[in-house]
Amino acid sequence: QVQLVESGGGLVKPGGSLRLSCAASGFTFTDYYMGWIRQAPGKGLEWVSYISSSGSYTDSADSVKGRFTISRDNAKHSVFLQMNSLRVEDTAVYYCVRERRDLIKGYYHYYLDVWGRGTAVSVSS
Amino acid sequence: DIVLTQSPSTLSLSPGERATLSCRASQSISFSYLAWYQQRRGHTPRLIIHGAFTTAPGIPDRFSGSGSETDFTLTINRLEPEDSAVYYCQHYDNSWTFGQGTKVEIK
Repeated sequence: QVQLVESGGGLVKPGGSLRLSCAASGFTFTDYYMGWIRQAPGKGLEWVSYISSSGSYTDSADSVKGRFTISRDNAKHSVFLQMNSLRVEDTAVYYCVRERRDLIKGYYHYYLDVWGRGTAVSVSS
Repeated sequence: DIVLTQSPSTLSLSPGERATLSCRASQSISFSYLAWYQQRRGHTPRLIIHGAFTTAPGIPDRFSGSGSETDFTLTINRLEPEDSAVYYCQHYDNSWTFGQGTKVEIK
């Protein structure tokens, strides 16, 4: 079945680095944009970054720009998030998501239809 | 940047009642880029509505979406205990923006 499985989370000190991975299965990976959403403890959802289906285009939230880098390996059906210069405020559960773009009755619908279970990142001294 | 404001922050209703959740955009947006998600306590968010009106597969027909331009609504008819969750609206505009969420409590 369609599935996203994240890994790589953990406890890291401020200024440290982590690399999150997301393994996709059950669908044609190269057809989809992919991305990362995070949720700080007790807080709402925040977009982090996304990457185009080919990997040629990426964009990130201002809060992580210059520190986080998203990439993908289409041969391995995987998405990655390299997180450098981590801050306490980066503490969150990080979800891998699939973006869907459907043409329905003449309009393109953009939405996030598949979510992984998330991997927890804790930044603390 | 477009800001999505959800109201109320919390709704407390009884089983069988109707919940009406609002999502207001800071400027006019295309309906087709507006989605709603449900997040039950301790669970991953789940898509329930896309294109403002279209119910996702597997979602009960008690859930419906409406609205246009700056004002969008998620309606949950005949509330059931399993509908207890936080509901987020989300918009795509070369980035993914979320509202702050509305918590629905079932008495």
